[in-house]
Amino acid sequence: AQTVTQSQPEMSVQEAETVTLSCTYDTSENNYYLFWYKQPPSRQMILVIRQEAYKQQNATENRFSVNFQKAAKSFSLKISDSQLGDTAMYFCAFEPLHNNDMRFGAGTRLTVKP
Amino acid sequence: EAGVTQFPSHSVIEKGQTVTLRCDPISGHDNLYWYRRVMGKEIKFLLHFVKESKQDESGMPNNRFLAERTGGTYSTLKVQPAELEDSGVYFCASSLRGRGTEAFFGQGTRLTVV
Repeated sequence: AQTVTQSQPEMSVQEAETVTLSCTYDTSENNYYLFWYKQPPSRQMILVIRQEAYKQQNATENRFSVNFQKAAKSFSLKISDSQLGDTAMYFCAFEPLHNNDMRFGAGTRLTVKP
Repeated sequence: EAGVTQFPSHSVIEKGQTVTLRCDPISGHDNLYWYRRVMGKEIKFLLHFVKESKQDESGMPNNRFLAERTGGTYSTLKVQPAELEDSGVYFCASSLRGRGTEAFFGQGTRLTVV
C-alpha cells in the first residue's frame, strides 16, 4: 500500500518570501504521479502542480515548483514570492500509474503573513 | 461549467441514525471518488467508481457504509447506522478517464455524529 507523509502540520511565511513544504511517500512502484493540492479556507480543493515520476525534470507552475527526488521518495513544494492568497491547506497526493486511486497526506496548513 | 457539488454541506445526526450524502460529479467524468478527512488527519480514500462500477472499495471502513452510483451519474454514500467515529468531512472528486488527470473536488460534507 502506498502512504504519503507530510511532516509539517503547520507552517507560516512572510509575504513575498519563499517557503518549502515537504512530502515523502512510500511505494514499490516505479511509475506514478504526484500532486500538490491546495484547499483555501472554506473553498474547494484545487490542483496546484503535478509531476510524472518518469520525468526527471521538476515541474513548475509560475511561483510554484517542486523538488522531486525519486530515489529518496521525496516531493517537496516550493512557493516563491508568497502571497496572502496562498494561505491554505496543502495536500500532497500520490497516484499509481495502473489505476486512478489517489492517496493523500495529512496536509500542511500554510499561513502567509503580511 | 458546473463543478463537483455535494449535498448537504453540513449534517448533524445522532448516533444510530442514517445519513445519505450526495455527490454530483462534473458531467462526462467517468471517475468518481469518495474520501474522508477526520480532523487533523490525512484524507483517506474510501472508494472509486468508474461509471457505475465500483473499481476499488478497499477504503470503506465497514459494512455500515454503502455507496452507489446509479447510471454512472451522481453518487450517494449512506451511513447506517452512524457511529461517533464517522464524524469528519466527506469529499467527493471526479476526473476524466486516463492516468494522472486532475481530480476536481467538491466542497465536502461535514458530518457530525453526536
